[in-house]
Amino acid sequence: SQQGEEDPQALSIQEGENATMNCSYKTSINNLQWYRQNSGRGLVHLILIRSNEREKHSGRLRVTLDTSKKSSSLLITASRAADTASYFCATPPSPDTGNQFYFGTGTSLTVIP
Amino acid sequence: GAVVSQHPSWVICKSGTSVKIECRSLDFQATTMFWYRQFPKQSLMLMATSNEGSKATYEQGVEKDKFLINHASLTLSTLTVTSAHPEDSSFYICSASFGSNEKLFFGSGTQLSVL
Repeated sequence: SQQGEEDPQALSIQEGENATMNCSYKTSINNLQWYRQNSGRGLVHLILIRSNEREKHSGRLRVTLDTSKKSSSLLITASRAADTASYFCATPPSPDTGNQFYFGTGTSLTVIP
Repeated sequence: GAVVSQHPSWVICKSGTSVKIECRSLDFQATTMFWYRQFPKQSLMLMATSNEGSKATYEQGVEKDKFLINHASLTLSTLTVTSAHPEDSSFYICSASFGSNEKLFFGSGTQLSVL
């Protein structure tokens, strides 16, 4: 069920630094979403950016979307130890993909206190 | 936000037994529920999609008789791992969507360990 690739696979930064992770996808989309997963837990929806938007902010999160390159990025500013988690991009169902969401391969972020 | 409750969180069972995992949408009626399997440090693998009152749609390679999915109501879907074996040990996560089906709400996951 993966149609997206994310990089880096793993990222380790110091508290206070910014973390950037990237996602590429393959099909046309109506929107792209980012989810967070703490170890051993389910995923939590973070932010949704629509195909006609180029950038969106939510608190310390900044998401960009480039539909011409089929790519998106998630920036977490002023990172905290509590941001340590895996982050996944996802694309929702569409005529091209049927009834399922497609998730990227994920980026494992470690924020060192 | 919408809440999805998944139980149990952790199951340890003997090989050959069956395990049932429940997924409930607590404050909304789920149009569609999805069941995923996740191996350590990997992304989610969709196992099946279930709609209330109809048979689940399984992904290629997922055994229907092994992983029984029941979606009897708009708020409850169950996954039963029948005759579990050690290779079935994994993290299983359910999710639900409703309305415009724009985003997913996830259960907290079930770690299954088959001895």
